[in-house]
Amino acid sequence: GQQLNQSPQSMFIQEGEDVSMNCTSSSIFNTWLWYKQDPGEGPVLLIALYKAGELTSNGRLTAQFGITRKDSFLNISASIPSDVGIYFCAGQRRDDKIIFGKGTRLHILP
Amino acid sequence: DGGITQSPKYLFRKEGQNVTLSCEQNLNHDAMYWYRQDPGQGLRLIYYSQIVNDFQKGDIAEGYSVSREKKESFPLTVTSAQKNPTAFYLCASSRGTTIIYNEQFFGPGTRLTVL
Repeated sequence: GQQLNQSPQSMFIQEGEDVSMNCTSSSIFNTWLWYKQDPGEGPVLLIALYKAGELTSNGRLTAQFGITRKDSFLNISASIPSDVGIYFCAGQRRDDKIIFGKGTRLHILP
Repeated sequence: DGGITQSPKYLFRKEGQNVTLSCEQNLNHDAMYWYRQDPGQGLRLIYYSQIVNDFQKGDIAEGYSVSREKKESFPLTVTSAQKNPTAFYLCASSRGTTIIYNEQFFGPGTRLTVL
């Protein structure tokens, strides 16, 4: 089935650095969702976006719904050790089906 | 506390045996979902249910079966017909499937290993 293009696949950063990741598709989406998954656990919803151009923050996290409705971005500012994990984007298509990206694995170097 | 529970956390089965994974939610959500996650992969939809007594196949339904007899419960059976059943299985629920009600909340997952 169709999947979103999420990049980068993995990131190695220093503690305190800012992080950016994105998801793109050739299809238009009505909703963008960003999740974080810790090892061996289920994903936890971080941010939900419902309108093109919408910019939403949740603490140090900021996500944007792209104007074209075909992409979304997640930024993490001043990374800390507990930010380690896999970040997934998910988009809901016009037929209400939700598609998940393959995830961005974030590693933080001490 | 409202949430989604999955049991057991780890499950081992011999090849050729059917196994049922439990998923319960007390969020009063109408929709429930089952996903499969393999290493380095995203989430692939197995089955979903929008309402009690109704369910639909997802992208990889072959070798799996589900039931939705109660709003709170959506068990998944991994049958012997599933060629490669070893994986991490995630259950999720949402208030509905249309915009704003479509935020999915996940359980902690069940790791199934077939020996």
